Amino acid sequence: DAKTTQPNSMESNEEEPVHLPCNHSTISGTDYIHWYRQLPSQGPEYVIHGLTSNVNNRMASLAIAEDRKSSTLILHRATLRDAAVYYCILRRSGGGADGLTFGKGTHLIIQP
Amino acid sequence: EAGVAQSPRYKIIEKRQSVAFWCNPISGHATLYWYQQILGQGPKLLIQFQNNGVVDDSQLPKDRFSAERLKGVDSTLKIQPAKLEDSAVYLCASSLDTSLEQYFGPGTRLTVT
Repeated sequence: DAKTTQPNSMESNEEEPVHLPCNHSTISGTDYIHWYRQLPSQGPEYVIHGLTSNVNNRMASLAIAEDRKSSTLILHRATLRDAAVYYCILRRSGGGADGLTFGKGTHLIIQP
Repeated sequence: EAGVAQSPRYKIIEKRQSVAFWCNPISGHATLYWYQQILGQGPKLLIQFQNNGVVDDSQLPKDRFSAERLKGVDSTLKIQPAKLEDSAVYLCASSLDTSLEQYFGPGTRLTVT
């Protein structure tokens, strides 16, 4: 599986936007970019995914670079409940064996 | 809609003992995954089922770990015998089908002493 690189940790203030970067320079044409997050003492939860175009949902936005070698997860207005580890994951399309390959993720700290 | 259920939530055993974990996926979800998460690391896939068949068990330590999903619904993961390095959180996830978003359970925290 192609590898992703994320900062170990980031800090932000409550009610401010947060931009979480991810580099994936070896991404292939069939790889989707997925983001999951894991709150303390919970299982991971799906946040958003995309292929080429930017994506928005109720939780976040995903901005994908034109060359697809990097992406940014955007939390528009962070709350204390957004404090979690955020994982950027590449996932090949086509079904079959498709377990998620998690890295160490970015530990997001939200200051009140 | 009920989420993925796992039990027990916590388990403490001595090395060389055996242990089993149970997972009940979201109703109608065909794909089921077991992950192992060691403290400070991201989850690692152990095995993936599609209905009651194994799709991927390439990272399952088959000398001590086994898993089954006999009727294509509930699943059990067993470790026999346990080692100290098996101390981890064991997460179960399910999805409606492959390539779709995965829903994770709360996990079972295993401590091997």
